[in-house]
Amino acid sequence: NAGVTQTPKFRILKIGQSMTLQCAQDMNHNYMYWYRQDPGMGLKLIYYSVGAGITDKGEVPNGYNVSRSTTEDFPLRLELAAPSQTSVYFCASSSRRTGITDTQYFGPGTRLTVL
Amino acid sequence: QKEVEQDPGPLSVPEGAIVSLNCTYSNSAFQYFMWYRQYSRKGPELLMYTYSSGNKEDGRFTAQVDKSSKYISLFIRDSQPSDSATYLCAMSARGDSGAGSYQLTFGKGTKLSVIP
Repeated sequence: NAGVTQTPKFRILKIGQSMTLQCAQDMNHNYMYWYRQDPGMGLKLIYYSVGAGITDKGEVPNGYNVSRSTTEDFPLRLELAAPSQTSVYFCASSSRRTGITDTQYFGPGTRLTVL
Repeated sequence: QKEVEQDPGPLSVPEGAIVSLNCTYSNSAFQYFMWYRQYSRKGPELLMYTYSSGNKEDGRFTAQVDKSSKYISLFIRDSQPSDSATYLCAMSARGDSGAGSYQLTFGKGTKLSVIP
């Protein structure tokens, strides 16, 4: 059971380039999330998905796109990379169980630098 | 005023000390409170969660919620060098299903170093 996996671990992009950050989970979780973490700024939600085919914007969605064609995968697309997108990106997943709060399981992160 | 305030530290303590980490919040709808631990260059992992007010203990860790003051705390007893990490508080309101909402609001995190 690998949990949440993310690729790549590191990436350097030039301004204007595009890339896709991959995220996969093998826990059969319905809910998946993308966060960015800037130094000293905590975690900000970019997009989330409550199931295959269903996605919605979080707090900071501008400059990003997502898709969810399967339960397992939730890729994050950056179009026209900008220096402001330099950050560490975390993918997370969770299952919903009535009556208790939700445990989000995080991947190891992708460190992205845009120059 | 930000929804969740957390002192970023850094906080440095000697091994064996009692550590107190805190967050304040402004949204009275928050009912579910969590503490995540994040080691350097790793993803956060859930350490403890509590619902509503009160205390919860798990080994050396105690989570405390005071909803009247909108204040939550995490206490670490007999701190160890392996506790050195960044601790993030997180909270959510009640979701549509009646359980906690899946949308969490995180504090900025407090970096803790436990010195041997």
